[in-house]
Amino acid sequence: EAGVTQFPSHSVIEKGQTVTLRCDPISGHDNLYWYRRVMGKEIKFLLHFVKESKQDESGMPNNRFLAERTGGTYSTLKVQPAELEDSGVYFCASSQVEGWAGELFFGEGSRLTVL
Amino acid sequence: RKEVEQDPGPFNVPEGATVAFNCTYSNSASQSFFWYRQDCRKEPKLLMSVYSSGNEDGRFTAQLNRASQYISLLIRDSKLSDSATYLCVVEGGSYIPTFGRGTSLIVHP
Repeated sequence: EAGVTQFPSHSVIEKGQTVTLRCDPISGHDNLYWYRRVMGKEIKFLLHFVKESKQDESGMPNNRFLAERTGGTYSTLKVQPAELEDSGVYFCASSQVEGWAGELFFGEGSRLTVL
Repeated sequence: RKEVEQDPGPFNVPEGATVAFNCTYSNSASQSFFWYRQDCRKEPKLLMSVYSSGNEDGRFTAQLNRASQYISLLIRDSKLSDSATYLCVVEGGSYIPTFGRGTSLIVHP
């Protein structure tokens, strides 16, 4: 069974440009989470989808970030326009269990560098 | 106060040593607790859940103290392959998995 896949694995863009990150969760996992790790800091929650609905987006830094999960399958996270402080590793995770009492399965992350 | 706080590390121990990590959390309503392991430049992976009565998985023992709001992870007979960052994960508000900063463990020969 395929795990959580993320694309691209690494993206280098200039300040002001746009980047779209994609996450394909494990098939059948309704819960999809986006997290971000900035160097030296903890992995911080961005948002949570249940199927195609945003359950909680309290961690989204600002309106330059837009996440979608059309059809309840894969998800995209767009940053527009990118700023220097957006650099970090963006992790996607999925889980099968509602309300999260089970395991989170992570993708390998998308490393974003904004110059 | 951060939602989940961990020992800063790094912990540098010889093979065969016993090492313990602690983690404190602020949400007294949390019901779910986990330890994850993250290797360098890799994704976090579940190491073990933490149950109220404490639980063991081979060389790893996890404990939960609800009164003091902390969890611990004990690793016995450390192996070189145990070198990694250990992440404490606690159910936060709205049932969101909330991560600590992680504790780095280096096991040397």
